[in-house]
Amino acid sequence: NAGVTQTPKFQVLKTGQSMTLQCAQDMNHEYMSWYRQDPGMGLRLIHYSVGAGITDQGEVPNGYNVSRSTTEDFPLRLLSAAPSQTSVYFCASSFGLGGYTFGSGTRLTVV
Amino acid sequence: KQEVTQIPAALSVPEGENLVLNCSFTDSAIYNLQWFRQDPGKGLTSLLLIQSSQREQTSGRLNASLDKSSGRSTLYIAASQPGDSATYLCAVLRDDKIIFGKGTRLHILP
Repeated sequence: NAGVTQTPKFQVLKTGQSMTLQCAQDMNHEYMSWYRQDPGMGLRLIHYSVGAGITDQGEVPNGYNVSRSTTEDFPLRLLSAAPSQTSVYFCASSFGLGGYTFGSGTRLTVV
Repeated sequence: KQEVTQIPAALSVPEGENLVLNCSFTDSAIYNLQWFRQDPGKGLTSLLLIQSSQREQTSGRLNASLDKSSGRSTLYIAASQPGDSATYLCAVLRDDKIIFGKGTRLHILP
């Protein structure tokens, strides 16, 4: 089915470990973005991309890296996990000014 | 800086009632506005998308309006059902970014 696919769905990390959250879309969307959702804070933009090879920072970029080598993929890297990065992470994509489509999320716990 | 506010934060209504959820934004120069639904522990499901040139969109029992000049949008749900219980999120798009409100948690009482 067409859409945004996120893997893994659940992950537990130890403080200091690194990992990559995967996001892929098969709708040929130009725009892709990563959000984290925390209780009481809502959804906050981490990084976004307006096309292959182009990325920019959002509201809460510290501790995260992204790259966009293809239109389809937009991985999010945690460089050195911290307990403050415990959250639910969502990837989204959009074509131009069309609406956004979201993945089902990755629930990350850092211990 | 664009800010999106949703009031109320939580709402409980008896089944069958019509209800209105409110969304306000501080910068009227938006490209579009999108309403989402989120069930507990799940992702976001798009409900309605209103382009900046439009005033409203309808889908089934849902109707969303947009008034850019006043920085407001409303989501109207007709004949509410227990299955409508969820968190409803409003989001505005500008400059390649989508900014969310914190949502309204809706509980429909059977």
